[in-house]
Amino acid sequence: IQLTQSPSSLSASVGDRVTITCRASQGISSYLAWYQQKPGKAPKLLIYAASTLQSGVPSRFSGSGSGTDFTLTISSLQPEDFATYYCQQLNSHMYTFGQGTKLEIK
Amino acid sequence: QVQLQESGPGLVKPSGTLSLTCAVSGGSISSSNWWSWVRQPPGKGLEWIGEIYHSGSTNYNPSLKSRVTISVDKSKNQFSLKLSSVTAADTAVYYCARVLITMVRGVIITGWFDPWGQGTLVTVSS
Repeated sequence: IQLTQSPSSLSASVGDRVTITCRASQGISSYLAWYQQKPGKAPKLLIYAASTLQSGVPSRFSGSGSGTDFTLTISSLQPEDFATYYCQQLNSHMYTFGQGTKLEIK
Repeated sequence: QVQLQESGPGLVKPSGTLSLTCAVSGGSISSSNWWSWVRQPPGKGLEWIGEIYHSGSTNYNPSLKSRVTISVDKSKNQFSLKLSSVTAADTAVYYCARVLITMVRGVIITGWFDPWGQGTLVTVSS
């Protein structure tokens, strides 16, 4: 199963609302997660099961979708949110990631 | 809380075997979790390599399956990765991660990576 994220990169300002999309090549129910990765650091789990916020993650992050189309939304960008975001799917103990979306400061 | 730490050589010769170990602390590798390896070539995206359960059961990425072996050492609370016949294309930061078990709307789902180790860069070069 392939995951395609859009856009590949995005420029935004602090306070903006941002949406990143992840499309699966076939239906994956709600078996999708979102990660944030900052330069030189390991990815951090933000959301799993498409819409469940991982413990400790700010509520400005939200996820939605099922089947083949999913979105990650940041309601009001903070300076610490500028990073690369990846979606990930699971299918019978086989996992794939999207190619990433780099979120940059405008 | 559970923490993971990768270790191993940072330089491997072409056609050689890459060997890494992930030490688990703050929790038992014999818990109900699977344990995974993920890699990231410089400037590129994430690629899942494979996973292991404490029983020794494994699942591998089909694209790497012929070259990958993941093993577990319960006595040392660690698991390991071996990747054979390496080329420059295997140069990457290698991460180990726990495969998280979650309960979502009454259903147990496992398949999310959390936490991750800090990662270790392995360069394939002569």
